[in-house]
Amino acid sequence: KAGVTQTPRYLIKTRGQQVTLSCSPISGHRSVSWYQQTPGQGLQFLFEYFSETQRNKGNFPGRFSGRQFSNSRSEMNVSTLELGDSALYLCASSLSGNFGYTFGSGTRLTVV
Amino acid sequence: AQTVTQSQPEMSVQEAETVTLSCTYDTSESDYYLFWYKQPPSRQMILVIRQEAYKQQNATENRFSVNFQKAAKSFSLKISDSQLGDAAMYFCAYRSANTGNQFYFGTGTSLTVIP
Repeated sequence: KAGVTQTPRYLIKTRGQQVTLSCSPISGHRSVSWYQQTPGQGLQFLFEYFSETQRNKGNFPGRFSGRQFSNSRSEMNVSTLELGDSALYLCASSLSGNFGYTFGSGTRLTVV
Repeated sequence: AQTVTQSQPEMSVQEAETVTLSCTYDTSESDYYLFWYKQPPSRQMILVIRQEAYKQQNATENRFSVNFQKAAKSFSLKISDSQLGDAAMYFCAYRSANTGNQFYFGTGTSLTVIP
């Protein structure tokens, strides 16, 4: 079966712009979570969506937002980009977190 | 919040040898799940092994096994018969059984396999 698909794989944006990243989970997975990965901070939890509802949120400013559609696909949006937002953004889906996530290959965002 | 500590930023092992990666965690909960993930240069995180805290028996998946010490809050990963394809970043992760689907990750251990 198809894995978790994230698009685009690479993105370069300018400070102050906004960006939208997309994630298609494994078919049947209703939970989608987003993580930011940087060399300095490691993997940090952004938020989790389940059946179109945000179920959990990490400690990120309001510039970071997300949503989930009825087909479980999810998007995350970052507004007013800052240089520090440069990171690998990973999406993960699961049937149940007890069994772990399946991750996508991530979107590498560079803010210049 | 729970914290996960991986004290070995880098490790190396000879091909066909055995290596153990360390992980400790801090929690006041009794019911939780622990995971090891592998991240090769392709960037995709791959689940290696999982352990339920209520199970005393250590999990095993082929060449990968864990040493789970609940009282000590320790969860080490042993890789036997190391292969070149095992070279990657390895992350230890914690998930509460009670407070939602948020995983807490350690900072990772970079494993090099020497031919």
